[in-house]
Amino acid sequence: EAGVAQSPRYKIIEKRQSVAFWCNPISGHATLYWYQQILGQGPKLLIQFQNNGVVDDSQLPKDRFSAERLKGVDSTLKIQPAKLEDSAVYLCASSKPGGGETQYFGPGTRLLVL
Amino acid sequence: DAKTTQPPSMDCAEGRAANLPCNHSTISGNEYVYWYRQIHSQGPQYIIHGLKNNETNEMASLIITEDRKSSTLILPHATLRDTAVYYCIVRPPFSGSARQLTFGSGTQLTVLP
Repeated sequence: EAGVAQSPRYKIIEKRQSVAFWCNPISGHATLYWYQQILGQGPKLLIQFQNNGVVDDSQLPKDRFSAERLKGVDSTLKIQPAKLEDSAVYLCASSKPGGGETQYFGPGTRLLVL
Repeated sequence: DAKTTQPPSMDCAEGRAANLPCNHSTISGNEYVYWYRQIHSQGPQYIIHGLKNNETNEMASLIITEDRKSSTLILPHATLRDTAVYYCIVRPPFSGSARQLTFGSGTQLTVLP
């Protein structure tokens, strides 16, 4: 089966600009996650969706980050305006209905904010 | 969630077994031990998980001590492709947000030729 797809793979922007990342989960996976991974650290969960509803966004910096999952399939994560400290890899993962035992991760989008 | 402690780095010779330790002394009785790995420039990949019994699959074996306060991931015949950061994660069995993965810093395993 096809894995989790993410685009773009790389993005360079200047601070205060906006950026958006796209994720297409594995077909049939109801749960979708966005993680932020800063260099040298493990991934940190930003937001979790179950179908098109938010399960947990407690660690999402809502003053600048937003995410949506229209129709319960694809998802976009947006940063507006970006700060230098947002430089990181943004990972999308999905799992089967009910949370599932295994999360499948995409390759990530590497963001550099100058 | 219970915290885990892993060594920051380990080396292993190619073809030898790699034994990666993890301490989780505050683990609760119904929490699972999960292992993921992250190869450079890729997303994390699930390896194996267990509750009490030792587990084995095509990738690795998981040995959990009887008191469940520590575990060891074993890669029986390490190859250069096994070079990665290995994460040990303790996870409750509940649904929803409680099923999230909380990653630590992991162990950087380097397999040497």
